[in-house]
Amino acid sequence: EDQVTQSPEALRLQEGESSSLNCSYTVSGLRGLFWYRQDPGKGPEFLFTLYSAGEEKEKERLKATLTKKESFLHITAPKPEDSATYLCAVHQTSGSRLTFGEGTQLTVNP
Amino acid sequence: NAGVTQTPKFRILKIGQSMTLQCTQDMNHNYMYWYRQDPGMGLKLIYYSVGAGITDKGEVPNGYNVSRSTTEDFPLRLELAAPSQTSVYFCASSEKTGRGYTFGSGTRLTVV
Repeated sequence: EDQVTQSPEALRLQEGESSSLNCSYTVSGLRGLFWYRQDPGKGPEFLFTLYSAGEEKEKERLKATLTKKESFLHITAPKPEDSATYLCAVHQTSGSRLTFGEGTQLTVNP
Repeated sequence: NAGVTQTPKFRILKIGQSMTLQCTQDMNHNYMYWYRQDPGMGLKLIYYSVGAGITDKGEVPNGYNVSRSTTEDFPLRLELAAPSQTSVYFCASSEKTGRGYTFGSGTRLTVV
């Protein structure tokens, strides 16, 4: 059974204080790993897809990396507008749906 | 560009009542999904569809039904609502399997 575990559950940072969020996964075969951002009262918004170990993708202050067992979402010099819940999801090679982790709630204080 | 549209945004149901959550997408995506999100529990898949006329159960299908008569619409039916169905429901679509999902803005349902 696919398992996706995100840590920490919640993270508070000061503006400009860089950090990383972790997503550990167990799947029979990884077809893709996804990162989403979710603001309160809204649906998740797609950020990145990573397909193979060693792959990296960047968007503004966010960089996602992937190994064979986990993914990291690095946040460099965060701003208060980066405050949100970040969700990780995996797509295994058999099947047509994503399995989501429980998310990391990030708060960036000014 | 509407994307994925869900209605209603909020609803309060009494135990035993029924309702349909509507979901429409205008991106001509074949794949559509229904998830529920409970506080601290992440997104759990209820049902999904890989094309018109084809649906399949996800992780938590009990108490729900779906249909997919057109590419655009994927309604979720709740029969005999129970307090355990209090949740936020999200509909999503994707162009192909394995591609990023586009989510709707959600329906917040309370069963009392």
